[in-house]
Parts: sequence; structure tokens; C-alpha cells
Amino acid sequence: NAGVTQTPKFRILKIGQSMTLQCTQDMNHNYMYWYRQDPGMGLKLIYYSVGAGITDKGEVPNGYNVSRSTTEDFPLRLELAAPSQTSVYFCASSYYGEVGTQYFGPGTRLLVL
Amino acid sequence: ELKVEQNPLFLSMQEGKNYTIYCNYSTTSDRLYWYRQDPGKSLESLFVLLSNGAVKQEGRLMASLDTKARLSTLHITAAVHDLSATYFCAVDIRHNTDKLIFGTGTRLQVFP
Repeated sequence: NAGVTQTPKFRILKIGQSMTLQCTQDMNHNYMYWYRQDPGMGLKLIYYSVGAGITDKGEVPNGYNVSRSTTEDFPLRLELAAPSQTSVYFCASSYYGEVGTQYFGPGTRLLVL
Repeated sequence: ELKVEQNPLFLSMQEGKNYTIYCNYSTTSDRLYWYRQDPGKSLESLFVLLSNGAVKQEGRLMASLDTKARLSTLHITAAVHDLSATYFCAVDIRHNTDKLIFGTGTRLQVFP
């Protein structure tokens, strides 16, 4: 199993550009999450999903959109990138019933200039 | 608003010494997690604490949970350099969704 994979690893965006961060898991997990981590800080939940077709907002959803059409994939869309979205983005997944363990991807480092 | 606070934020300790990291949270929760993050890396799950009085140990690390005090501790015994990392606690704010609120982290440096 590859676990949770994210692409790209690093990206530079200009202000106002858009992009999609990809996240795929091959563990058949029903729950998936997107977090952002600003320098020297903890993680903040952006969006999460409890299954295909079901998504909900986390702590900091503004400026982002998500969709979940399959169990495996949970892309995060940034519209009109702003410097405040410069961060490291982590995708995670877990299986409800296997208490607690969230498996994290390697992260995508995003710089908005 | 749920707040999760860790202290200290930074800890520099000598090899062989013991120390405790504290995690306080501001509302009731029945799950608390500890994660480790190495510089530039992703997060690794260390412990899941599910009930009041829960204690878990792995090697030189031991975590405990007091839900009445809304406090969890991560105790380090006889620190070694390999334990140098940032440690995060996280609290599940809504049962059955694993929707976590993270603390700001404790950066641990262990020196000879």
C-alpha cells in the first residue's frame, strides 16, 4: 500500500491563480481530511469528508473548495490564490471503526507570491 | 471555541533527563491524540487516549489523559537525541468524525 499520496510536493502560485491539490489514499478509508500548517504552528482543519459525496467545513474553509466523488480521492481546490494561503497542506485519512488513527500524506508546500 | 494549548512551546533538554509536555484543552472531549513531526516531514501517530485515566507507553514516551482536568501529559524518560522532533496533541471535538483540533506543538531538542 502506498498509503496517502499527495501531489504536487511543491508549487509556486501567483496571486489570483487557481490550482488543485491532489490527495489519494489506497486504504479504503471512509474519512478524509485537509489541513494546513503555517510555519511554527499546529495544523488547522480546512475541510473533511466522511464518505463519497459528503463534505463539510472545518476551522478555516474560506478560499478553498473540495469534492469527493470516490472513496480514494479528495482534491482541494484553491480559487484566486492569496499570500495568506502560503502554507504546507496535509491530507489525511482514517477508517471509522479503527479508533483515532489518522494517516497523513507527505504534504504539499505552497508559496503564493 | 475549543482551544488546545501546549506547554512548553520549546524544550531543550539534555540526554538522559526526564521531562513532561502538557496539553490543556478547553471543552469536553473523549479522545486525545499525540503526534510526532520531524522537520520537513509529515505527522506520525504516537498515541490515542480514549478515556479518563488512560495511560499508554511506547519506549521512552508515556502519555496520560485526565478528562476531568482536561489535561493530557506526554512524559519523556531518559531522553535520547532521536526523540528530537515537534510533538502535537490533538483533541476530537465531535464524536465519530475524528474532527481534530491541534495544539501549537512543542519543539523538543535533545542534546548530548
